Amino acid sequence: GAVVSQHPSRVICKSGTSVKIECRSLDFQATTMFWYRQFPKQSLMLMATSNEGSKATYEQGVEKDKFLINHASLTLSTLTVTSAHPEDSSFYICSAVDRTDTQYFGPGTRLTVL
Amino acid sequence: DAKTTQPPSMDCAEGRAANLPCNHSTISGNEYVYWYRQIHSQGPQYIIHGLKNNETNEMASLIITEDRKSSTLILPHATLRDTAVYYCIVRVGGGNQGGKLIFGQGTELSVKP
Repeated sequence: GAVVSQHPSRVICKSGTSVKIECRSLDFQATTMFWYRQFPKQSLMLMATSNEGSKATYEQGVEKDKFLINHASLTLSTLTVTSAHPEDSSFYICSAVDRTDTQYFGPGTRLTVL
Repeated sequence: DAKTTQPPSMDCAEGRAANLPCNHSTISGNEYVYWYRQIHSQGPQYIIHGLKNNETNEMASLIITEDRKSSTLILPHATLRDTAVYYCIVRVGGGNQGGKLIFGQGTELSVKP
């Protein structure tokens, strides 16, 4: 199956700083990628849809100015958590859609904000 | 909101078949049934998907009822490594539409020795 990577896998930062998470499709091109987050013992929650070359579409209740998404190429989307606070601590997961319209997920990034 | 209903948990003996049910009574004609699983602290793994015909791959089989209102994921010989949360999701598919996946609570499958 198709491979999606995320970097970093784990990050710890101080409150008020910004953190950038990268999502790459390694062996296919993806015009569409998605960003999710998952709190402990909960299911995945869709945050936004990232389309190459255009603005991201955010789900209701997700602040677009806090979670900046850039899909600059067909293999890379980035999520920047700006002015992170402890309540932003979560597991962030991306997915990428291949040419068969199947979504493949990255391994996730564990963000801890102190 | 998720458009599927799954039992919250199931047990299965190692080596036996695991049959995971999913109800999707409001499924539309152009919606596919997708199955993913998530092992603890990892990203979800794609398993299989189908529209109306039964499907089989190296991981599992997907049986969809004729009225498409329910389906069953079958892991033919469950191993301890199949212990995970299994998600059944319906979404519009076909072509390069990149439709959203909306996750419900899934079924926590425990495979026991």
